[in-house]
Amino acid sequence: GENVEQHPSTLSVQEGDSAVIKCTYSDSASNYFPWYKQELGKRPQLIIDIRSNVGEKKDQRIAVTLNKTAKHFSLHITETQPEDSAVYFCAASKLGATNKLIFGTGTLLAVQP
Amino acid sequence: DGGITQSPKYLFRKEGQNVTLSCEQNLNHDAMYWYRQDPGQGLRLIYYSQIVNDFQKGDIAEGYSVSREKKESFPLTVTSAQKNPTAFYLCASSKRLAGGFVEQYFGPGTRLTVT
Repeated sequence: GENVEQHPSTLSVQEGDSAVIKCTYSDSASNYFPWYKQELGKRPQLIIDIRSNVGEKKDQRIAVTLNKTAKHFSLHITETQPEDSAVYFCAASKLGATNKLIFGTGTLLAVQP
Repeated sequence: DGGITQSPKYLFRKEGQNVTLSCEQNLNHDAMYWYRQDPGQGLRLIYYSQIVNDFQKGDIAEGYSVSREKKESFPLTVTSAQKNPTAFYLCASSKRLAGGFVEQYFGPGTRLTVT
């Protein structure tokens, strides 16, 4: 079935460094890739998304890249700050009647001050 | 993500009891979803509904039931048949973007503990 693998499961960086989280999807028909940030005990919040007709998208300190051939997509956070500490989830879906999101297992990012 | 509410925030039940989790949205979204979140396993889809009076099973529907009598409401019942009901339950709703893509917004969640 459809699957999204996410790595690493935990990531610790120093404040100001960059962080990269990678995901791989199995269904080549997937064409929408959102990223969610979840702080402890709170709801996931959409932080950025990318569609399959675009290779890269940026929003201030965060960016997402997509390699459709390899079925990889990545989240890049530059100049990390302590408030970036959270669990990050990638997801994939495909245009169709259901538009179900398939989530990765999450990455716990810890930014050390 | 305002506009999606879940109640209660914490819920405690004895084993063998059915329990219903509430989810309401005032965003006029057509689709609504229920996810279960366990440590280290991400979010897993339980049920989803794209229109009133219609819903489909997700990946882990066994032991759960839903109804969609109103566009704004999508309650989830955790039945006694669910073997491991203790979890964090998240409701979401979605809108259709240009090109047919769907952006999902989450509610604050209900943490269910069954003993």
